[in-house]
Amino acid sequence: EAQVTQNPRYLITVTGKKLTVTCSQNMNHEYMSWYRQDPGLGLRQIYYSMNVEVTDKGDVPEGYKVSRKEKRNFPLILESPSPNQTSLYFCASKLRPGESNYGYTFGSGTRLTVV
Amino acid sequence: LAKTTQPISMDSYEGQEVNITCSHNNIATNDYITWYQQFPSQGPRFIIQGYKTKVTNEVASLFIPADRKSSTLSLPRVSLSDTAVYYCLVGDMGYQKVTFGTGTKLQVIP
Repeated sequence: EAQVTQNPRYLITVTGKKLTVTCSQNMNHEYMSWYRQDPGLGLRQIYYSMNVEVTDKGDVPEGYKVSRKEKRNFPLILESPSPNQTSLYFCASKLRPGESNYGYTFGSGTRLTVV
Repeated sequence: LAKTTQPISMDSYEGQEVNITCSHNNIATNDYITWYQQFPSQGPRFIIQGYKTKVTNEVASLFIPADRKSSTLSLPRVSLSDTAVYYCLVGDMGYQKVTFGTGTKLQVIP
């Protein structure tokens, strides 16, 4: 089944403890992106990647890192999480920037709580 | 990326047709209009995409006037399961940097 898989689905951590949220897609998509969703603020883009080794900042990149060493994986790294990063996170992928192809495929989300 | 404006929320009774309008006054020539649906605690799901006039698929229709400064998502005969947030996105096919905005929360009432 074509899908975007995020892990973990739920995570509670403490301030300052480094964590990684994994994202993997099995559709050979070139474009991948991370979003956070907060009440009243909608979905905001954190980082995106046009292809392997190509990443760029979205609207809210502060406090996050990403890497794209292989096409299928796009992990989100929080080096020193803070409570204001408590949020619902989504990973998404798309075939290539110029393709319509029914838009983005989203993962099921990761609910992160930083205490 | 063109800025979009949608109503924050809408209510509708089951079985009615629902029209959600999105305003995008500064849409560019190369921009497409795409709508997504999101249920609570799930990722958004692609509904429909169009460039001009009318597009229809098995779940919705998208109406785009000639000036393309707005678009209307039409959901025929909604059911309770259509209760969700609907997002309108406007951008070229590059879509490098994508802003979803806050969307329209549709509540379907029995």
